[in-house]
Amino acid sequence: AQSVTQLGSHVSVSEGALVLLRCNYSSSVPPYLFWYVQYPNQGLQLLLKYTSAATLVKGINGFEAEFKKSETSFHLTKPSAHMSDAAEYFCAVSRGSGGYQKVTFGIGTKLQVIP
Amino acid sequence: DAGVTQSPTHLIKTRGQQVTLRCSPKSGHDTVSWYQQALGQGPQFIFQYYEEEERQRGNFPDRFSGHQFPNYSSELNVNALLLGDSALYLCASSLALAGNQPQHFGDGTRLSIL
Repeated sequence: AQSVTQLGSHVSVSEGALVLLRCNYSSSVPPYLFWYVQYPNQGLQLLLKYTSAATLVKGINGFEAEFKKSETSFHLTKPSAHMSDAAEYFCAVSRGSGGYQKVTFGIGTKLQVIP
Repeated sequence: DAGVTQSPTHLIKTRGQQVTLRCSPKSGHDTVSWYQQALGQGPQFIFQYYEEEERQRGNFPDRFSGHQFPNYSSELNVNALLLGDSALYLCASSLALAGNQPQHFGDGTRLSIL
């Protein structure tokens, strides 16, 4: 079984401030982890992925996430928030291969950026 | 390089009707997954198709069915629509042999049930 918990359904930060979105996972096997972003009326766009290479993963738009096995966490950060970062962010855990891939999403965190 | 395309973008139905949603995967992808995203929720996995077969299924009733065609495109069918079926339906594609690679999502079909 696998699951994802995103702490904080809404997060507000000031423009230029640090963004920290929290994600904890549960997986019976070594996980593959992803962060996606969703803008209004759009689908999900991949920000970054962890697939057991480096524990610190850099993604698009200045975002990065660190995989911490001891804490079962994969928190998303960005040093300086921009107005265009306002969106909903989903953490996801995946397992499987060869035509079988089960992806489980968290409930999402809506990021508000205050000017 | 065309990404995942879904049609229609919006749809309004009444209770008891049936609906078909369509998805064309990203070029080169052979696996299609469908998700239901209710307002304020994360995507919920409905089912996944590979080699024209349903490979796995989430916790959705048999009213939800699907199909994958030889060109890898896919349809999601929902029968006997309920008010609770109102949601954004997302299609995602991936390449099976690439293992746990990220899925690529379409912009979804917004289904409203009256």
